[in-house]
Amino acid sequence: DIQMTQSPSSLSASVGDRVTITCRASQSISSYLNWYQQKPGKAPKLLIYAASSLQSGVPSRFSGSGSGTDFTLTISSLQPEDFATYYCQQSYSTPPAFGQGTKLEIK
Amino acid sequence: EVQLVESGGGLVQPGGSLRLSCAASGFTFSSYAMHWVRQAPGKGLEYVSAISSNGGSTYYANSVKGRFTISRDNSKNTLYLQMGSLRAEDMAVYYCAREGDGDYVAFDIWGQGTMVTVSS
Repeated sequence: DIQMTQSPSSLSASVGDRVTITCRASQSISSYLNWYQQKPGKAPKLLIYAASSLQSGVPSRFSGSGSGTDFTLTISSLQPEDFATYYCQQSYSTPPAFGQGTKLEIK
Repeated sequence: EVQLVESGGGLVQPGGSLRLSCAASGFTFSSYAMHWVRQAPGKGLEYVSAISSNGGSTYYANSVKGRFTISRDNSKNTLYLQMGSLRAEDMAVYYCAREGDGDYVAFDIWGQGTMVTVSS
């Protein structure tokens, strides 16, 4: 099975900051990488699919990049509603495993 | 409105059984593969199981293989997860999710989740 590793596990930032979260796959997954946002007590929400495609309705301050084994999620200017936990997920092979999550907290 | 609504969670003793349901509305349920994902308290997301659009193909994570059964009734727009031989480590919020269109598998619609508590 493909393993997904995110870094950092947690991150403190301020409103207006530019933030980058990294996800690494244990083997090449081409561009089969998704990003989700989860707020406490809520279901995950799809943000980015196919490494860099923005899901409909997601603000353009979110962007994704990468291919192969290394990927990034960038939030260009943090807004108060962006403080949440973010998960990457590979969809190259079954099982479509998730990373362990990155908790983004207010500084 | 496109929606998934889970039900069936609750308290069950170790070794017991429970059936979760996920009712779909607002889209053509029979056209989409569906998945179950769980999240133990304070932990990350764990992939559990999948079923193809017509129910002919299924997948289970090793952690639940032989104990859980995924199924669907396209006439009722409902997805199921039959859970047996439940263990403490199965305690989690269980989410159903729709696999979106296109070549890249992504879970574009999620239910609100249903909590399964395994305790004596």
